[in-house]
Amino acid sequence: GQSLEQPSEVTAVEGAIVQINCTYQTSGFYGLSWYQQHDGGAPTFLSYNALDGLEETGRFSSFLSRSDSYGYLLLQELQMKDSASYFCAVNAGNMLTFGGGTRLMVKP
Amino acid sequence: TAGITQAPTSQILAAGRSMTLRCTQDMRHNAMYWYRQDLGLGLRLIHYSNTAGTTGKGEVPDGYSVSRANTDDFPLTLASAVPSQTSVYFCASSDEGTSLNEQFFGPGTRLTVL
Repeated sequence: GQSLEQPSEVTAVEGAIVQINCTYQTSGFYGLSWYQQHDGGAPTFLSYNALDGLEETGRFSSFLSRSDSYGYLLLQELQMKDSASYFCAVNAGNMLTFGGGTRLMVKP
Repeated sequence: TAGITQAPTSQILAAGRSMTLRCTQDMRHNAMYWYRQDLGLGLRLIHYSNTAGTTGKGEVPDGYSVSRANTDDFPLTLASAVPSQTSVYFCASSDEGTSLNEQFFGPGTRLTVL
């Protein structure tokens, strides 16, 4: 089976940088994804890493180390609208397994 | 483009009753999924379908059934609802031709079983 661990809550101030970590245990692995979900909304795709290294998309970057079974999402120049829950998800075959989510609170 | 639509938006259901949650996508994606999300938790996969005519069990399939008669529709049925099925249900789809990892989610159905 698969299991993922990420912090339940992170708080940061507007304009700062925050890193949300994700460690995983899985019997098979094709890649690690990140999704954002605002309160009351649907999850939306942010990024995907299949290989080791850093992927950058605007203010958001995602990192993967397959040897360490570890990844992180980096959010730069935080804005109030970034307050949301962030989920890592492992692709271990023909489905995704999601972590429990990290609730990010951005304060002025 | 509508993307993925789900109906109803919310529902209160008496325990023991049956109900079908509807999901329709207009993106011609091959794969579709049903997740449940309990308050403050992550998404858990109930059932999935890689292509029309095929379905598979996810992490928490008990008490639920699905069908995939065509590409666009993927209904989820609760045969005899129980209070533990109170949750928000999300339908999603992905184009396996590009990336399984980018799943597109519907707006969700909030179900309360009393």
